[in-house]
Amino acid sequence: AQSVTQPDIHITVSEGASLELRCNYSYGATPYLFWYVQSPGQGLQLLLKYFSGDTLVQGIKGFEAEFKRSQSSFNLRKPSVHWSDAAEYFCAVVRNTGGFKTIFGAGTRLFVKA
Amino acid sequence: GAVVSQHPSWVICKSGTSVKIECRSLDFQATTMFWYRQFPKQSLMLMATSNEGSKATYEQGVEKDKFLINHASLTLSTLTVTSAHPEDSSFYICSLSGSGAYEQYFGPGTRLTVT
Repeated sequence: AQSVTQPDIHITVSEGASLELRCNYSYGATPYLFWYVQSPGQGLQLLLKYFSGDTLVQGIKGFEAEFKRSQSSFNLRKPSVHWSDAAEYFCAVVRNTGGFKTIFGAGTRLFVKA
Repeated sequence: GAVVSQHPSWVICKSGTSVKIECRSLDFQATTMFWYRQFPKQSLMLMATSNEGSKATYEQGVEKDKFLINHASLTLSTLTVTSAHPEDSSFYICSLSGSGAYEQYFGPGTRLTVT
């Protein structure tokens, strides 16, 4: 069965420091992978997506993610974190067999300290 | 991307009553809509998928007679929680998807509290 694992429940980084949020997926076919961010009082917002092609994808707000098939990973990175990046981040994979369904990871809460 | 609104943003109701939550796409024709439930500090759990013009498909374990979904048009979907109980208290989120696309556009969510 398809699944998404985000090993870190929460992460704390200092403002200006680099960030990497981990995501591992289990999916038999070529996955469609996403990262979403959820800020308090706001809906989930798409940060970036990977369908095919270049395995390093750029997203909004300075985020990027790298698809590594050999490691079944799709880690999210940002070189310099801003206080406004504090939020909940969800990795997701789309299953397109028997209907379109998005499977979300449990999420990683990012705390940013001054 | 699409702009999605939900109404109300929060609601408190008494046990046994029904509550309707609206999800509107303000600028996008949505052939598919999704309803999720999110418990505190947990991920999104898909409740049901609805396609315009057809009945919703409910996920295993979701009571379709309790959570009524109506995809009335390409811009409106409603979720009605019937005979609500305190255990139905949760954060309900809708999302939209266009035909052929895998991206979803999410509403801001509705906080339901049943007393």
